[in-house]
Amino acid sequence: NAGVTQTPKFQVLKTGQSMTLQCAQDMNHEYMSWYRQDPGMGLRLIHYSVGAGITDQGEVPNGYNVSRSTTEDFPLRLLSAAPSQTSVYFCASSYLGSGANVLTFGAGSRLTVL
Amino acid sequence: DAKTTQPNSMESNEEEPVHLPCNHSTISGTDYIHWYRQLPSQGPEYVIHGLTSNVNNRMASLAIAEDRKSSTLILHRATLRDAAVYYCILRDLTGNQFYFGTGTSLTVIP
Repeated sequence: NAGVTQTPKFQVLKTGQSMTLQCAQDMNHEYMSWYRQDPGMGLRLIHYSVGAGITDQGEVPNGYNVSRSTTEDFPLRLLSAAPSQTSVYFCASSYLGSGANVLTFGAGSRLTVL
Repeated sequence: DAKTTQPNSMESNEEEPVHLPCNHSTISGTDYIHWYRQLPSQGPEYVIHGLTSNVNNRMASLAIAEDRKSSTLILHRATLRDAAVYYCILRDLTGNQFYFGTGTSLTVIP
């Protein structure tokens, strides 16, 4: 099993450009989420989804859009990139229904906005 | 989900045990305690979790206080590969937002 796959691993954007970070999982997990991690800071939740067609905001949702059309995929869209969005982005997924369900993380996508 | 507090950093000598504390004074009866670690330049990975009883696996042990307001991740013999940031989070049946905080940065001294 591949687990959680994030693409691209690295991306450089200019201010105002748009792009999509891809996240795919092959474990049939209902729950998927996006975090950002800035230097010296922990993980902060951007958006999450509990199933196809269902998304919700996390702690820092501004500037990001998400959608969940399939169980497997949860893309994160930056419509107009800003330097403040320079960060490392992590996607995580898990089963729902129990507090014992563990999160599986992707390897991360490092985004630089100039 | 309830928040947790951890020390910002800890040091350990190689091959000695390490006890990483986590406080979760607002934990509810249905919250599981999860530990994850993040090696340099990698995504977080699962370490261990528990509800009430102490837990052991091949990576670590988890000691949970009787009142469940705190827990301790125990690495029995620290190696250089254990140098990472360790996060303690809580998860219940319905919670979907997890507070990772800044975790504890563990330095292992050769």
